[in-house]
Amino acid sequence: EPEVTQTPSHQVTQMGQEVILRCVPISNHLYFYWYRQILGQKVEFLVSFYNNEISEKSEIFDDQFSVERPDGSNFTLKIRSTKLEDSAMYFCASSAIRNTEAFFGQGTRLTVV
Amino acid sequence: AQSVTQPDIHITVSEGASLELRCNYSYGATPYLFWYVQSPGQGLQLLLKYFSGDTLVQGIKGFEAEFKRSQSSFNLRKPSVHWSDAAEYFCAVGVGNTDKLIFGTGTRLQVFP
Repeated sequence: EPEVTQTPSHQVTQMGQEVILRCVPISNHLYFYWYRQILGQKVEFLVSFYNNEISEKSEIFDDQFSVERPDGSNFTLKIRSTKLEDSAMYFCASSAIRNTEAFFGQGTRLTVV
Repeated sequence: AQSVTQPDIHITVSEGASLELRCNYSYGATPYLFWYVQSPGQGLQLLLKYFSGDTLVQGIKGFEAEFKRSQSSFNLRKPSVHWSDAAEYFCAVGVGNTDKLIFGTGTRLQVFP
């Protein structure tokens, strides 16, 4: 069964460092998303990506964040200068059609120290 | 603004007992409705979805959910819970004019033998 894969599963980084979280969406999907879940809180939308550009982003997704689909298969989330409050589980998701069921990866747990 | 409410933070049931997890949403029209399950250390797995049509939808692992427009609810049910159902359950809505899913705060299910 096709699945969304994310690497790494866990990343520890120092405050102020840049991190790149990687995702391989399901191959025939066209819509890609990043969500995050701070420990003990709800899953929150960060950004959606379609046709090689951001189609929607939340207030959380400020200038410190960027997304890219560099090679037609990977979908990355970059945080330029991490803050302690960026510590969270980050989920990548993809869907074949806009606003239908999204398939989520296993998540990357980011810990900023 | 759209919102999703899961009133029960934590539910404990005995194995073999029936289960109902509540979900209410706030949105002017009929949204797309989803239930996801998150096992410890795992990603979000789609259990079932409602887009239109029959208001009783069947999902994986023996789960079903019923959409009730008059109550703005989409409650998840299972007639007989198994110990492996212990997990966190998230209700989510998608609305037509946005890419994002809006998640509830989740209900943690504990199953006793």
